[in-house]
Amino acid sequence: DAKTTQPPSMDCAEGRAANLPCNHSTISGNEYVYWYRQIHSQGPQYIIHGLKNNETNEMASLIITEDRKSSTLILPHATLRDTAVYYCIVRDLMYSGGGADGLTFGKGTHLIIQP
Amino acid sequence: NAGVMQNPRHLVRRRGQEARLRCSPMKGHSHVYWYRQLPEEGLKFMVYLQKENIIDESGMPKERFSAEFPKEGPSILRIQQVVRGDSAAYFCASSPWETSGISYEQYFGPGTRLTVT
Repeated sequence: DAKTTQPPSMDCAEGRAANLPCNHSTISGNEYVYWYRQIHSQGPQYIIHGLKNNETNEMASLIITEDRKSSTLILPHATLRDTAVYYCIVRDLMYSGGGADGLTFGKGTHLIIQP
Repeated sequence: NAGVMQNPRHLVRRRGQEARLRCSPMKGHSHVYWYRQLPEEGLKFMVYLQKENIIDESGMPKERFSAEFPKEGPSILRIQQVVRGDSAAYFCASSPWETSGISYEQYFGPGTRLTVT
């Protein structure tokens, strides 16, 4: 799986959009970009994933650059409950015969929403 | 639809005892993954199982750790002769059966906090 680079921490004001960047310059054609978050002491929570096109769901939007070397997770109206560590993971979804499929978590970005 | 369930949520063991951690996947999910998070560190993949099969145990310590996912019942992560360094949060995740070779997102449980005294 390709390596990702994220800023260690970010602040955002409550009610504003939080934009979390991720660099994945060595991503290959079969690899998807996944985002998870971990609120303190809880299990990680799946947020969104995408391959090439921008994606949106009820939690967030994912913007992937045309060359796929970077992406941005957008939380449109951040609340205090969005304070968490956000992990960007690139993952090859096509594997043969039950090969390794564990997620590789880096250090992530600690997003702090300020009241 | 209940999420991934793990029990116990907190487990205290003395050095040398055995720890058994249980994970019940989401309904309809037949793939289970175990991860460990040491204090102040990121999550590390340990093992990936399907019913009655270990698919990938590349992240499991070579000794004292074992995992199973029987045909009936929850998946079990077993740690024999625990040491203080085993103190960590252990998370289980599940995903549905993939029919096309594409694996789906993983849904995580609340974790078991193991403390070894």
